[in-house]
Parts: sequence; C-alpha cells; structure tokens
Amino acid sequence: EAGVAQSPRYKIIEKRQSVAFWCNPISGHATLYWYQQILGQGPKLLIQFQNNGVVDDSQLPKDRFSAERLKGVDSTLKIQPAKLEDSAVYLCASSPRQGAYLEQFFGPGTRLTVL
Amino acid sequence: AQSVTQLDSQVPVFEEAPVELRCNYSSSVSVYLFWYVQYPNQGLQLLLKYLSGSTLVKGINGFEAEFNKSQTSFHLRKPSVHISDTAEYFCAVSDLQFSGGYNKLIFGAGTRLAVHP
Repeated sequence: EAGVAQSPRYKIIEKRQSVAFWCNPISGHATLYWYQQILGQGPKLLIQFQNNGVVDDSQLPKDRFSAERLKGVDSTLKIQPAKLEDSAVYLCASSPRQGAYLEQFFGPGTRLTVL
Repeated sequence: AQSVTQLDSQVPVFEEAPVELRCNYSSSVSVYLFWYVQYPNQGLQLLLKYLSGSTLVKGINGFEAEFNKSQTSFHLRKPSVHISDTAEYFCAVSDLQFSGGYNKLIFGAGTRLAVHP
C-alpha cells in the first residue's frame, strides 16, 4: 500500500513570494490533515478535511494561507505572501475516516525555508 | 484546553541501556493518547496508542507505555535501546471536540533520543 505522498520535499523562497505544496493521501482515506512543524516544536494542525469539506481550520492564518481538496482526494496548501516565520516543515497526514482513536498516517513533509 | 508536556527535550543514552521518555497531559475530558516517532527526514509513524482498558500498552520496536490517570502521564519506555532508535519522539493527545465530533491531535514539543555506542 502506497503511503502519503508530498511534493516538493524542499523549497526555498524569498519573503513575500508565493508557494504551494501538494499532498496525495493513502487511497481511500477520507480525512486529510495539514500540519505545520516549526523547528523544535511538535506538529500543529492547520486544517482538516473530511472528503472535500473543511472540518477544522481554526488555526489556519487565513490572511495568507489557503488549502483545498476539490475532488476529495489530493490537496494543495498555499502560502501567499510568505513571511520569515513560515519557515517550517509542512506535514500532510491522512486517516480512513474521522475518529479520535484512529492512527494518522504521515507523509515525509515539505521543508520550507523563507529568506 | 488540552496541552501536552514532554519533560525532556533531549535524552542521551548508551546502547542496550533502558530509557524512559516522559509525557504529561492536561485535559478536562477523557482522552486518547499516542506516541509517534519521527526518523530524520521522514514523517511521523505511530509507535503505540492508549484508547481504553489495560493501562500498559505495547507498541512496535519493543516500546511500551503506561497510562496513569491520576498523574495524567503517559511515559514511554524501552528496556534496551538500539542505535536505530535514535529519533524524535512525540507524545500526542486527542479527544472528541464537542462541536461536530471531530478529533484533533495535540502534540508535545518532542524528545530527541540519541543512542550512543
């Protein structure tokens, strides 16, 4: 079974530029998560999708971050414009459905450096 | 509000020695508890989880954890570590949000386990 795929693996941009990350979850997984992991911290949930609907985006900085999962499969996270403090690893995860007891399966992440 | 505290940011240990990584949480409701491991340049992988029942939970790679409700702790242990256990370990807590019934994982800051020969 293929795992969660993410691209690119690394990205370096200047502040005020735009960037987009792509995630393809495990086949059949209805729930998709985007996390931000700043160096020295644990992952922080940015947004959670159930199929193509947003379940929780309470910690997404909506003035600069956006995310979509149009067909309920793969997802894109965008930052526009980027700030220095956005430097982090962006992790995508998926689970078969919603459930507090369920394991989340994580991709390898995209390491973003904003100069 | 939920929070997770991992008491040690780094734990150095010699190969074949025992190790304990400490985790405390705060929550006003019943919780589910998880330990995830992150190897360099990889995503997180589930080690073990506590949902209910026996307070001693066994996971992959010889790890185990004990849920202590009175102390709100969920410490991770391994009796004999290997070089390959060098990684970042994250404790996480999840409960059902009252609005909508969806789950949210709250992670601790992580503990870096460094196993030396």
